[in-house]
Amino acid sequence: GPKVLQIPSHQIIDMGQMVTLNCDPVSNHLYFYWYKQILGQQMEFLVNFYNGKVMEKSKLFKDQFSVERPDGSYFTLKIQPTALEDSAVYFCASSLGTGLNQAPLFGEGTRLSVL
Amino acid sequence: GDSVTQTEGLVTLTKGLPVMLNCTYQTTYSPFLFWYVQHLNEAPKLLLKSSTDNKRTEHQGFYATLHKSSSSFHLQKSSVQLSDSALYFCALSELGTQVVGQLTFGSGTRLQVYA
Repeated sequence: GPKVLQIPSHQIIDMGQMVTLNCDPVSNHLYFYWYKQILGQQMEFLVNFYNGKVMEKSKLFKDQFSVERPDGSYFTLKIQPTALEDSAVYFCASSLGTGLNQAPLFGEGTRLSVL
Repeated sequence: GDSVTQTEGLVTLTKGLPVMLNCTYQTTYSPFLFWYVQHLNEAPKLLLKSSTDNKRTEHQGFYATLHKSSSSFHLQKSSVQLSDSALYFCALSELGTQVVGQLTFGSGTRLQVYA
């Protein structure tokens, strides 16, 4: 079936550096999401994106975070600069629509370790 | 704000026994409830969803009924299998949000089934 792919699966980076997490959503999906999961805690919504724009973002979506999907390529989450508390698993998700029948499809996550 | 509570962190069972994983929620608006299952090193996958009060929904042997009177959406299965061992997340979206994909997750329940 359709899959959301996330690249890389694991990223290790020094505090203060920039990191870009890549997501390849399902090809005909229109809505994209990022979620953050700190080890041992629940997944928390960061941001959703539609038609080239951020629709909503949570308080976890700090000023150092940005998202984009240039020309239908990867949907990316950029963190610049990174902080120790950014260490987490970041899940990308996509959906075709916004109704109940369009529950988001999740990727396997990118584990980000900030040293 | 919205919240989802899963009271059990870990549930261990012998195969063939029934299971119920608890999920209660708080929201101001009309709720959409979901159960996602996550096997080790895999993406969270949608298991069940509902927005209809007092109607049982079923998939792959699992079932749940949304009860708005008690704000609950407990997940059940009459006979667990070894392959059911996974992490189960209950999640909530609400009619008041822009998109259904903006989910509030519970902390998750790990189900471990033994032979």
